[in-house]
Amino acid sequence: GESVGLHLPTLSVQEGDNSIINCAYSNSASDYFIWYKQESGKGPQFIIDIRSNMDKRQGQRVTVLLNKTVKHLSLQIAATQPGDSAVYFCAEKDSSASKIIFGSGTRLSIRP
Amino acid sequence: DTEVTQTPKHLVMGMTNKKSLKCEQHMGHRAMYWYKQKAKKPPELMFVYSYEKLSINESVPSRFSPECPNSSLLNLHLHALQPEDSALYLCASSLIAGGPNEQYFGPGTRLTVT
Repeated sequence: GESVGLHLPTLSVQEGDNSIINCAYSNSASDYFIWYKQESGKGPQFIIDIRSNMDKRQGQRVTVLLNKTVKHLSLQIAATQPGDSAVYFCAEKDSSASKIIFGSGTRLSIRP
Repeated sequence: DTEVTQTPKHLVMGMTNKKSLKCEQHMGHRAMYWYKQKAKKPPELMFVYSYEKLSINESVPSRFSPECPNSSLLNLHLHALQPEDSALYLCASSLIAGGPNEQYFGPGTRLTVT
């Protein structure tokens, strides 16, 4: 069945370095993709999204890249800070449907 | 107001109890969702309401009963739960259910069934 998966379950980066979190998806009908950040004890927080007619979108310190050819999504966080420590979920959606499908999550930890 | 609120934050209930979880949003969103999240796992969809009507039930046991009294409120009534139902219950909303619309999540209710 369709699934959204992540290449790495955990990622440890040095404070100040850039972080790259990867995600693979398999539903070719998906045309909308979202990254969520979930801190301990909190609900998922929207970070950035991208539609399938784009291959790159930038926000504040974050960039999402979409490669539809290989069904790959990535989240880049510039100058990673301690406050970026969280679990990051990618999610995909077919806009004709109501459901979003979450990936399994990547835990990002920051080394001082 | 871009917030989804949930009450209570924590709930401990016995297997014979009846309790309700509440969710509220004032963003004018017409789609609301209940998710269940176990530790170290992604959220799992339970129910979708679209324009106050139940549109998706992901084969959830009948001991979970959702209710959408109006476009701003979503309840989840709990009865005769099992210990394995202990989890974080998340409410979310989006502008509409279809389309490229992000879902905004509440902080969740941490439920423990004893």
